Amino acid sequence: NAGVTQTPKFRILKIGQSMTLQCTQDMNHNYMYWYRQDPGMGLKLIYYSVGAGITDKGEVPNGYNVSRSTTEDFPLRLELAAPSQTSVYFCASSYSGDSSGNTIYFGEGSWLTVV
Amino acid sequence: AQTVTQSQPEMSVQEAETVTLSCTYDTSESNYYLFWYKQPPSRQMILVIRQEAYKQQNATENRFSVNFQKAAKSFSLKISDSQLGDTAMYFCAFGAGTALIFGKGTTLSVSS
Repeated sequence: NAGVTQTPKFRILKIGQSMTLQCTQDMNHNYMYWYRQDPGMGLKLIYYSVGAGITDKGEVPNGYNVSRSTTEDFPLRLELAAPSQTSVYFCASSYSGDSSGNTIYFGEGSWLTVV
Repeated sequence: AQTVTQSQPEMSVQEAETVTLSCTYDTSESNYYLFWYKQPPSRQMILVIRQEAYKQQNATENRFSVNFQKAAKSFSLKISDSQLGDTAMYFCAFGAGTALIFGKGTTLSVSS
């Protein structure tokens, strides 16, 4: 009963380094999302995907890239890490978009600190 | 653009009491969903309750209920018989397209 699995859970990066946050889901969901949550704030959408091979930008995409080669996996790539990218990152998935009210399942979050 | 506003950054309540968290939103959509999510200190996002905009009846889930006022674009969450385990940040969220739009959250503290 895995649901949405994110790795790593914690990571410290130096300014200018790159890394990939991994996300996989085992529910055969079409939609996948990456959100970030800054301290004391709500979640903001970085990128989303409506199916394998299809991705699109959300509210705060700058400094990030994504790919969706399979239904299960939706990795988030941080290029040239900056302190402003210090945040908690959540991957999520749903069967379809929110206009149908489908439940969105969230991963446990990845805490990223850029120093 | 849709927006979600939670005007109460922090609230506190005693065990067994009732508390209401406020949320307002702005949209031109006619078909949408509203959600309340709970985020305990573990940071996991837990769906508390969901309301469909075209339904007049307010959603309820055990001790949690909503007061949905569509014309006023208001969506408050009432927690009855508060328990220590209800201590968390609560997010109101709006869904009408591809992804959810979240408010900034209300931190709820339940004390004994």
